[in-house]
Amino acid sequence: SQTIHQWPATLVQPVGSPLSLECTVEGTSNPNLYWYRQAAGRGLQLLFYSVGIGQISSEVPQNLSASRPQDRQFILSSKKLLLSDSGFYLCAGRIFAGQPNEKLFFGSGTQLSVL
Amino acid sequence: GENVGLHLPTLSVQEGDNSIINCAYSNSASDYFIWYKQESGKGPQFIIDIRSNMDKRQGQRVTVLLNKTVKHLSLQIAATQPGDSAVYFCAETLSTNAGKSTFGDGTTLTVKP
Repeated sequence: SQTIHQWPATLVQPVGSPLSLECTVEGTSNPNLYWYRQAAGRGLQLLFYSVGIGQISSEVPQNLSASRPQDRQFILSSKKLLLSDSGFYLCAGRIFAGQPNEKLFFGSGTQLSVL
Repeated sequence: GENVGLHLPTLSVQEGDNSIINCAYSNSASDYFIWYKQESGKGPQFIIDIRSNMDKRQGQRVTVLLNKTVKHLSLQIAATQPGDSAVYFCAETLSTNAGKSTFGDGTTLTVKP
């Protein structure tokens, strides 16, 4: 089965510091990968998605960027964090095994607090 | 943009009762729908899905109903247990849109013993 490994589980960073969150995928190849952010008590907002190595699409204008240097690696970054970047960040993947859609499988998330 | 919303933000039920969580979606072109369960501090877990060519699908203790006429989705949980307490999200997906899913804000289900 497919698994998303995401770390760290929690992170406290000062305003203006850089950020790098990484997720890796096991159990499949060529997945579509996604970064979501979740504000407290809210649903998931799609930030970035990638359909392959080096291919990144941004859904909302923001202070963050994403990269996919390898098929099973997806990185979320920022050069200078803002207070508004605080939230719960989730990496997710989706494979297409002959079906037009398949469910997302999620990592365990990173709770980011920018102070 | 398109929005997926839930009718009730919280739901409280007695252990053993059935639960029904509702969801309204806006994009009539969406063709794949999923219900997720999220426990505090964890990533969402898949519960059940349904494609737009179906109107009902059953799993273990869960049933999803899809009414495309009124763009409504519901999740029914039979014999609700304390372990079912969590936030439940519906998500809609358009298969031609890179598999991107749009999530609602979620319903918090609390099961009273």
